[in-house]
Amino acid sequence: AQKITQTQPGMFVQEKEAVTLDCTYDTSDPSYGLFWYKQPSSGEMIFLIYQGSYDQQNATEGRYSLNFQKARKSANLVISASQLGDSAMYFCAMREFNTGNQFYFGTGTSLTVIP
Amino acid sequence: SAVISQKPSRDICQRGTSLTIQCQVDSQVTMMFWYRQQPGQSLTLIATANQGSEATYESGFVIDKFPISRPNLTFSTLTVSNMSPEDSSIYLCSVVLALNYEQYFGPGTRLTVT
Repeated sequence: AQKITQTQPGMFVQEKEAVTLDCTYDTSDPSYGLFWYKQPSSGEMIFLIYQGSYDQQNATEGRYSLNFQKARKSANLVISASQLGDSAMYFCAMREFNTGNQFYFGTGTSLTVIP
Repeated sequence: SAVISQKPSRDICQRGTSLTIQCQVDSQVTMMFWYRQQPGQSLTLIATANQGSEATYESGFVIDKFPISRPNLTFSTLTVSNMSPEDSSIYLCSVVLALNYEQYFGPGTRLTVT
């Protein structure tokens, strides 16, 4: 089974609007971390936000917030007030802390912000 | 956070040759990884670079094809050996900071094999 599933290959959003990028995960490890990365066309991977499995509150970093629903095993990324510079690939990732060091990446969502 | 540099940033190589990619981190880190990202794909972990011992390779990757060195806690190299066009990818090194579990990536090396 896929550890990380991103079901939206491509998304469009109007500039200044909010957008939600979906991510579901699969793990039996009670201790894990969830990550979101942005990859612009330049190819670099930019860390955006982190959510630990024991964190009580949803993580927020500026315009990025993570909608963490543990029972549903989902960790959706919400980008508020979209900007043209937000156009990029977005990857959701997970690390299981008790079962090794490997990060599992989803297949990514391509976000295009429309002016 | 960690600042990571990679050399070269891009290269075009001929089939059958080898390329060594360098990864330098601005602080000592325990965990260092090498990933491959083929065109239009997600990231695939090649190996974990262990300081002072052999790298740990993931399924589908072997040391003869992707030898890795990790001479100290701030530096690692990945060699892509006997290259074929299928090796054309972005190769990224990454580190994990123990304090906050966050993983940071280098800028990547774009490799094209002709």
